[in-house]
Amino acid sequence: GQNIDQPTEMTATEGAIVQINCTYQTSGFNGLFWYQQHAGEAPTFLSYNVLDGLEEKGRFSSFLSRSKGYSYLLLKELQMKDSASYLCAPLNTGFQKLVFGTGTRLLVSP
Amino acid sequence: EAQVTQNPRYLITVTGKKLTVTCSQNMNHEYMSWYRQDPGLGLRQIYYSMNVEVTDKGDVPEGYKVSRKEKRNFPLILESPSPNQTSLYFCASSLAAGENGYTFGSGTRLTVV
Repeated sequence: GQNIDQPTEMTATEGAIVQINCTYQTSGFNGLFWYQQHAGEAPTFLSYNVLDGLEEKGRFSSFLSRSKGYSYLLLKELQMKDSASYLCAPLNTGFQKLVFGTGTRLLVSP
Repeated sequence: EAQVTQNPRYLITVTGKKLTVTCSQNMNHEYMSWYRQDPGLGLRQIYYSMNVEVTDKGDVPEGYKVSRKEKRNFPLILESPSPNQTSLYFCASSLAAGENGYTFGSGTRLTVV
């Protein structure tokens, strides 16, 4: 089976740091993606983790623990434009597809 | 510019009137997929295609058809649309089965009345 769990909604203030957690259970796991999606728009790629550990890319970092079925997305120096939904998506090679969580809606306030 | 192009962006139609949503990619990707997105349910896969003439059902295929006659095109067909197919639809493509991430089209907001 496939199960992905993320918080539904989070709020933070401009300039702060926020961590969005994702736990997953999926067969044939081969990496995990994070996507950003603004309301009504297409998801856009943020990061891809295959190995355990932290991947840093500018203000955004992503962490993966394969043994724990756990990942997080860390956003630093938050800006108003970071208000969006963030989708956790494990790659399920058994079903040959990305399995998307329902996403975490992040609201950044001034 | 490398992209996935979906048309139309918005469509309002009536129950039972056949429609096609087109999807085209210019990246020579083998893998293409259709998703629908509904509030609280996230992105759910409708159909996918590993390559030309190879298509398979995703999680919610009922009421939809697809074809993959050429590598670049992957149209989504609703033979007899119903109101429960009102949704936001995304086409996506990838070099392999998701391993390089998906590139998404801009989306099609479909309303069936």
